[in-house]
Amino acid sequence: EAQVTQNPRYLITVTGKKLTVTCSQNMNHEYMSWYRQDPGLGLRQIYYSMNVEVTDKGDVPEGYKVSRKEKRNFPLILESPSPNQTSLYFCASRGRAEQYFGPGTRLTVT
Amino acid sequence: AQSVAQPEDQVNVAEGNPLTVKCTYSVSGNPYLFWYVQYPNRGLQFLLKYITGDNLVKGSYGFEAEFNKSQTSFHLKKPSALVSDSALYFCAVSYMNSGYSTLTFGKGTMLLVSP
Repeated sequence: EAQVTQNPRYLITVTGKKLTVTCSQNMNHEYMSWYRQDPGLGLRQIYYSMNVEVTDKGDVPEGYKVSRKEKRNFPLILESPSPNQTSLYFCASRGRAEQYFGPGTRLTVT
Repeated sequence: AQSVAQPEDQVNVAEGNPLTVKCTYSVSGNPYLFWYVQYPNRGLQFLLKYITGDNLVKGSYGFEAEFNKSQTSFHLKKPSALVSDSALYFCAVSYMNSGYSTLTFGKGTMLLVSP
């Protein structure tokens, strides 16, 4: 079954404590991306990657890092989380047209 | 730069009535257009897409959308709404080129179908 998986699904943490949200896809897609969803703002792209070792900033990259060491994985790293990064995060993987989304990670930073 | 506008934050419709969720877009070149649905506490599910061909696109759960190039619109429609259609709907656009282009989303429209 084609899918994008994310872990953890829920995370509560404190300001400044580094965290990583993992993302993995099994469709051999080259293009992967991270979004955050906030009420009234829709989905905003954080980072994207067009292939292994190729990453670029999206619309809201501040405070985030990513890496793409292998095709299937695209982790999102928050080196020093802050409360304004409390949000719902989605990883996505894309073929030539259609984009597949992971189930989401709800992050709360206190 | 590409953009998507969903002019209604919320659409209310009675069960059994037709529904329309509006979307307009702006993009350089020929667009790829998508609709996604998000049920409470769930991820985004793909509904339908327009790439090329017929302007009327049929998708999952009885939804369809009409591509109108002159009006740069891609409204989502369903002839008879169900209470279970109540969810958050997102329109998205990218454009055709030799590689990948960013998928840009609208802010979403909440559809509420009353019994």
